[in-house]
Amino acid sequence: GDSVTQMEGPVTLSEEAFLTINCTYTATGYPSLFWYVQYPGEGLQLLLKATKADDKGSNKGFEATYRKETTSFHLEKGSVQVSDSAVYFCAYGGSQGNLIFGKGTKLSVKP
Amino acid sequence: DSGVTQTPKHLITATGQRVTLRCSPRSGDLSVYWYQQSLDQGLQFLIQYYNGEERAKGNILERFSAQQFPDLHSELNLSSLELGDSALYFCASSAGGRLGETQYFGPGTRLLVL
Repeated sequence: GDSVTQMEGPVTLSEEAFLTINCTYTATGYPSLFWYVQYPGEGLQLLLKATKADDKGSNKGFEATYRKETTSFHLEKGSVQVSDSAVYFCAYGGSQGNLIFGKGTKLSVKP
Repeated sequence: DSGVTQTPKHLITATGQRVTLRCSPRSGDLSVYWYQQSLDQGLQFLIQYYNGEERAKGNILERFSAQQFPDLHSELNLSSLELGDSALYFCASSAGGRLGETQYFGPGTRLLVL
């Protein structure tokens, strides 16, 4: 069935390190893809999205490219900050209009 | 701030009880979604409403029900509560409920069933 697989955390990095969080999906067609971020004690915030193959979503230094051939949407950031510590969720738009989420990856950035 | 509001922020109740969670969508959004976030199941879609009508159902238990009112706010009713219903419940809204549309999430209601 439809699903999203993202790398398990927690991921611990030093400030200014390079970040990659892998995400692959199984779905029919070409759904819109999303990354959401959840800071401690808060709701989910949209980080970026891409709606078609080869689209690159970007926001706050984060980027992800919609790769149709590998059904992937990996999240990257060149230099993480302590303030990026949060849980990151990969998701895609399901056939019912809902979002189908991965299990989330917790990122901790140390000064 | 996403513009989606949820009340209450926290709710503590006992098994067997019934609670109502409330959500107000962003101004202008017609579609409301409910999700449950738990440690073991992750984020699960429960139900979607569009302009007052139920549009899609996910993994929603029969003990749970929802509705969307003419002013577009929505309520999620949880009854005969069990310990396993303890979770964070999110409401999200989108403009037209179309496939692939961005959904904006509220801050959530944390439910603890004792």
